[in-house]
Parts: sequence; C-alpha cells; structure tokens
Amino acid sequence: DIQMTQSPSSLSASVGDRVTITCQASQDITNYLNWYQQKPGKAPKLLIYDTSSLETGVPSRFSGSGFGTDFTLTINNLQPEDIATYYCQQFENLPSFGPGTKVDIK
Amino acid sequence: QVTLKESGPALVKPTQTLTLTCTFSGFSLSTTGMRVNWIRQPPGKALEWLARIDWDDDKFYSTSLKTRLTISKDTSKNQVVLTMTNMDPVDTATYYCVRGHPLLSSWGQGTLVTVSS
Repeated sequence: DIQMTQSPSSLSASVGDRVTITCQASQDITNYLNWYQQKPGKAPKLLIYDTSSLETGVPSRFSGSGFGTDFTLTINNLQPEDIATYYCQQFENLPSFGPGTKVDIK
Repeated sequence: QVTLKESGPALVKPTQTLTLTCTFSGFSLSTTGMRVNWIRQPPGKALEWLARIDWDDDKFYSTSLKTRLTISKDTSKNQVVLTMTNMDPVDTATYYCVRGHPLLSSWGQGTLVTVSS
C-alpha cells in the first residue's frame, strides 16, 4: 500500500499570508494526487485534482504542484474562511490519505 | 443535484456486524463510470478509505480491512450497502458515503458509529 505523509501537521498564519503544505508519497504516484479541505464538523470537499487542477468553484488563491513523490498545496492570501484541515490523497493504487494539516489563523 | 446520505445504527456492540446504507440521488450506479466509496474518520483523526463499488459491480477493499468488509449495490433503489464484521471500539468513526473515483467529488454528511458495550 502507498503511504502518504504531510507536513506540517498544523500551522498558524496571518490573514493575507502565503501558506504551503507538503505531501509525500512512499512511492512514485506520477500526478495521481488530490487535495481536500475539511472544515470543522463538515464533510471533506474536493479542492484540487490531478495535482494541480482546481475544482470548479474553488478560489484561485489555491494551487497545487508536484510530481512523483513530492507535492505541494499553496494558499496565497490566506482568508479566515480557509481555516480547515487539508488532506492529500493518492489514487495511483487503492486510495489513501495523508494525516492532514490543520490551518489556523493567528 | 447529487446527494448521498448514510444511514445505520449509531451504536453497536463489540463483535457485532455493522450494516450501513448509502442512499443517493442525482446519478445512477448503472451508468458507465459511476463509482461509490465508503470512507471513515475516527474522531479527531484522519480519513481512511474503506471500499468502492463500480457501475459494473467491480469491488475494491482496503487491504487492512478486506477480510471484514463487504460492499454491495441495489441499483433499483439507488443504494450502496457496506457491512463490517467483528466491530471493535477502534472502529468508532464517522462513516462517509462518497461518489467518484479517482475524484472523490460528492460526499454524504456522514454518520457517527460508536462501538461500545
């Protein structure tokens, strides 16, 4: 099975900051990676698919990059509504998720 | 509009079998390319993919849980059923029904299942 790791596990940033979350796969997954946003008490929501494609309706301040085993989710101009936990998910094999990164506002 | 809703017991005893039903609308699981997953999340912890069933009745299971899981569909009722045997307190979690693969694009609200005697 493919294991996913994320760092940091949590972060606190100011409104307007640029935030970067990294995700690493235990083996090459090419670009078979999605990102999800989960707000407290809610179901996750698809944010980015195929590493860098923005889901419809997702603000353009979100972006994704990477290939192979190393991936990044970037939030430019952090907004209060971005408070959430972010999960990466690979689909090269049976799906698996990273442990999540909790984003708070300072 | 695609909607999915999970239903099942809120409380099960250790060793019992859990049966969860996902009732959905806005799509048909007989349509080529349609897929439905079950994913769970223990309180305060990460998401864990459990199983998937495809339009052609192909079934896929988590490697670590496959001996305990069975997924099935009733296309006429727009339902997907997941059974998990030999429940344990560590299986306490919110269980989500989710459409799609590889994009997990539509999620149910989730149902919390507590395993306790």
